Amino acid sequence: KAGVTQTPRYLIKTRGQQVTLSCSPISGHRSVSWYQQTPGQGLQFLFEYFSETQRNKGNFPGRFSGRQFSNSRSEMNVSTLELGDSALYLCASSLTSPRPDRGLTNTEAFFGQGTRLTVV
Amino acid sequence: QKEVEQDPGPLSVPEGAIVSLNCTYSNSAFQYFMWYRQYSRKGPELLMYTYSSGNKEDGRFTAQVDKSSKYISLFIRDSQPSDSATYLCAMRHLSGGYQKVTFGTGTKLQVIP
Repeated sequence: KAGVTQTPRYLIKTRGQQVTLSCSPISGHRSVSWYQQTPGQGLQFLFEYFSETQRNKGNFPGRFSGRQFSNSRSEMNVSTLELGDSALYLCASSLTSPRPDRGLTNTEAFFGQGTRLTVV
Repeated sequence: QKEVEQDPGPLSVPEGAIVSLNCTYSNSAFQYFMWYRQYSRKGPELLMYTYSSGNKEDGRFTAQVDKSSKYISLFIRDSQPSDSATYLCAMRHLSGGYQKVTFGTGTKLQVIP
């Protein structure tokens, strides 16, 4: 069973540019979450998509956006890049979107290897 | 103040030692507590999760939660060089009708043969 695939693995962009990252979840998984990981802040939640709808959003500016397609593949876009956007961007997929009445059954998140974005 | 605090390390121990990794938190709404392991150049993988206060054991790993003190720990017995990785604690709670996960910054562990 193929894991979560993120493309590209590495990216170098210039300040002011925009970038689109892609995530293909595990087959059958409908929930995709995006995280930003930096040495100083650790893993920070960006947003979560489930069945093409954004279900949850972290505290990031509007320059960060995403979408999910009918095949559950997801893209994340960052516009007007800043130096501080340099980070490892991780995508995680799970079978279902965690709901308050459910435990962790079927909600375990499987992470991809990430996209390392460097803004210069 | 961050909702979840975790000592970044690095923590260096000899092979066979008992390792203790810790996180403190401030949000009483956190319901589920998880530990992830992240090898270099890889995404995090879920190691253990627990809901209630107390201990949960899985092989060489024991997760401990003390909700009254807002403190969680991961113990690794008989540590191996293959345990060298960054360990992230994570906590889940209800936010806006859906579960939200907050991660610690991670503790880098090195087990020396």
